Amino acid sequence: ETGVTQTPRHLVMGMTNKKSLKCEQHLGHNAMYWYKQSAKKPLELMFVYNFKEQTENNSVPSRFSPECPNSSHLFLHLHTLQPEDSALYLCASSQDFGTGGNEQFFGPGTRLTVL
Amino acid sequence: DQQVKQNSPSLSVQEGRISILNCDYTNSMFDYFLWYKKYPAEGPTFLISISSIKDKNEDGRFTVFLNKSAKHLSLHIVPSQPGDSAVYFCAARRDDKIIFGKGTRLHILP
Repeated sequence: ETGVTQTPRHLVMGMTNKKSLKCEQHLGHNAMYWYKQSAKKPLELMFVYNFKEQTENNSVPSRFSPECPNSSHLFLHLHTLQPEDSALYLCASSQDFGTGGNEQFFGPGTRLTVL
Repeated sequence: DQQVKQNSPSLSVQEGRISILNCDYTNSMFDYFLWYKKYPAEGPTFLISISSIKDKNEDGRFTVFLNKSAKHLSLHIVPSQPGDSAVYFCAARRDDKIIFGKGTRLHILP
């Protein structure tokens, strides 16, 4: 596997379910990110992890809970979501956080539908 | 309040011609600007970037121009090819945070 991978690619869940999104990067990067892309809205940064430490939390509701066990893996735990949380969730990584151009490499995303 | 604006939701260009994608921003503290390209069912891929201290950066068929006084940047693709059909996102960096525009869908016509 190369680049940034995300599983599952599609997820349908009820409002009372608990699920997790997984992201893995094979690029040796130190920073990882979760983004949300809703229809007709810009990409929204949700969380940033730099060297496994969370450095950014953009006022995301507590029903989204990130976890970064190591610099290669990032999870987004979901519980009691709302229908308006339906969106494409993108994971990204970069060599470091805040250096140079901070070019980020994105995974393919998980298309989440909350019923 | 949107800090990075891509006012054209879509753009159609004849194959072989120049494609010009525009982006405006409101915050003069942005220090780096990036363009990403996104195909359906894939995540965005980095295309080209420019530091705020420069006014032009070129990479093959892609050139990004920055006009700081107008708070405007543009991506030029020449010549346009069918594989360039995608959504293009402009992004700007401030305080180690990247802010994206809504994207412009580029259609390359045969």
